Amino acid sequence: GIQVEQSPPDLILQEGANSTLRCNFSDSVNNLQWFHQNPWGQLINLFYIPSGTKQNGRLSATTVATERYSLLYISSSQTTDSGVYFCAVDYSGSARQLTFGSGTQLTVLP
Amino acid sequence: KAGVTQTPRYLIKTRGQQVTLSCSPISGHRSVSWYQQTPGQGLQFLFEYFSETQRNKGNFPGRFSGRQFSNSRSEMNVSTLELGDSALYLCASNYGTGIYNEQFFGPGTRLTVL
Repeated sequence: GIQVEQSPPDLILQEGANSTLRCNFSDSVNNLQWFHQNPWGQLINLFYIPSGTKQNGRLSATTVATERYSLLYISSSQTTDSGVYFCAVDYSGSARQLTFGSGTQLTVLP
Repeated sequence: KAGVTQTPRYLIKTRGQQVTLSCSPISGHRSVSWYQQTPGQGLQFLFEYFSETQRNKGNFPGRFSGRQFSNSRSEMNVSTLELGDSALYLCASNYGTGIYNEQFFGPGTRLTVL
């Protein structure tokens, strides 16, 4: 099956700093999503981005499908950005089955 | 629209028992996917239902089963619980057609097996 690797596994920042999270995948994908898992465990949708670039406030994401990677940018980080960020891909196109990376644990210090 | 709902939110069972978890997708969504999250294995796909039919199943033993009703609500069942079944179980409501599909997750059910 497809492999999804996220880096770095852990990231500690001071409030106000910028960060880049990376997701590499081993095969062509039809869908790619970024999630933020809150402290209660719920996965919050950040981006649906199988290709191209999108921005939403302080967050933006870029997927280069031909090179099999995606990047999530967080600017001017806030303590509320803390949590685990997951990248997930669907390579089958029809199975509605996401394969998740192992996540990046982000801690933003005040 | 209301989001994805899952019940119960927390559950404590003992080994050997069985458990049923429920998921109601976003109104109008007909496909539901289930995932298990553990510290050791991360997030893993369990199965997906569409129009009351299981279309895809992950690599889990037969103790894990599910079903979907005509109103798109889905249940998953785990029989003969083992300690390793302790996990966060997440349900996703699937939006899209063809290869386009975006998943929206519920709050999860946290199962503890003693």
